[in-house]
Amino acid sequence: EAQVTQNPRYLITVTGKKLTVTCSQNMNHEYMSWYRQDPGLGLRQIYYSMNVEVTDKGDVPEGYKVSRKEKRNFPLILESPSPNQTSLYFCASSFRGRPEAFFGQGTRLTVV
Amino acid sequence: QQPVQSPQAVILREGEDAVINCSSSKALYSVHWYRQKHGEAPVFLMILLKGGEQKGHEKISASFNEKKQQSSLYLTASQLSYSGTYFCGTEEESNAGNMLTFGGGTRLMVKP
Repeated sequence: EAQVTQNPRYLITVTGKKLTVTCSQNMNHEYMSWYRQDPGLGLRQIYYSMNVEVTDKGDVPEGYKVSRKEKRNFPLILESPSPNQTSLYFCASSFRGRPEAFFGQGTRLTVV
Repeated sequence: QQPVQSPQAVILREGEDAVINCSSSKALYSVHWYRQKHGEAPVFLMILLKGGEQKGHEKISASFNEKKQQSSLYLTASQLSYSGTYFCGTEEESNAGNMLTFGGGTRLMVKP
């Protein structure tokens, strides 16, 4: 089944404790992206990647890191999480030049 | 820069119509529409490319006015299943081929 898989789905952590949210897609998509969703602000892009080893900042990259060592994986790293990073995070992927983006099921992160 | 969606929320009775607008300050290459049901990932509805074309998906259609950099989503004879949050995602001409920038969302509630 074609899908984008995020893990974990839910995470509660403490300020400053490094964490990684994984994202994996099995559709051989070139493009992958991370968004955060906050009430009233919609989906804001954090980072995106157009292919392996090619990443770029989105609208709200501060406090986040990403890597794209393999085509299927695009982990989101929070080196020192802070409470303002409490949010719902979505990973998405798509083919280059194709319109439809497929989203993962989301990761609800709470930083206390 | 995020596109602006209006209204932020709308409540309908089954069978009523609604229009959701999406406006950008940038020259656009395409506009994408997604629907997100509560607790789920956004799902692709349709894409509109430069050229002012209209598209349809069941009783949901959309238009794109490239001169005004605006798109509208039309929901006709709404059904309970239309409830959810609708997002427009825009692809700028200057940045075509990259992943989308989403608006803040419009929450639609359809009541019996």
